[in-house]
Amino acid sequence: DADVTQTPRNRITKTGKRIMLECSQTKGHDRMYWYRQDPGLGLRLIYYSFDVKDINKGEISDGYSVSRQAQAKFSLSLESAIPNQTALYFCATSGNRGGAGELFFGEGSRLTVL
Amino acid sequence: GIQVEQSPPDLILQEGANSTLRCNFSDSVNNLQWFHQNPWGQLINLFYIPSGTKQNGRLSATTVATERYSLLYISSSQTTDSGVYFCAVPSQGAQKLVFGQGTRLTINP
Repeated sequence: DADVTQTPRNRITKTGKRIMLECSQTKGHDRMYWYRQDPGLGLRLIYYSFDVKDINKGEISDGYSVSRQAQAKFSLSLESAIPNQTALYFCATSGNRGGAGELFFGEGSRLTVL
Repeated sequence: GIQVEQSPPDLILQEGANSTLRCNFSDSVNNLQWFHQNPWGQLINLFYIPSGTKQNGRLSATTVATERYSLLYISSSQTTDSGVYFCAVPSQGAQKLVFGQGTRLTINP
């Protein structure tokens, strides 16, 4: 089983719908992240969390919200999805409290907004 | 903030060839990671390499922190090596990783 699990893996939805992507991890890491990848582009950080009570915006947080329900769970929500949010979304974890430690990714969630 | 540049952007090789991918970064860092994104989109950790050289099978990586670059070597390439290779370094304050734009490697049979 994967250490970092994302659900759903694929989702097609319509403009205006609310979507939640969920991430859970068994690595025991404190830090969790959500990244977005668009075709042919690199990874951009949406939100990150260093513990349950800590949430931070990344480069492209507009249109997204997150919830850190527990140390092991970090969900990403699109309150009203729009077509330009069509992308591949990755959850990631790292465990180094003192700096940006080694990052481990989930398998990705491919979202299509029609 | 810190800038990360990877070269070349694209590389096409025949199976069995060797390749060198480069990652330059604009500021001092205390760690660097290399990832492989396979054609199915999965991101796989290759190396966590603050400095020095590490090897894993046909792959090796060298980071020269004082000169602000890292190299990823792939020897005897196989078609399964195809995909995009990313390097990433900590941002200022080390709270998150900054990614390069990647090198797309295509290995033809």
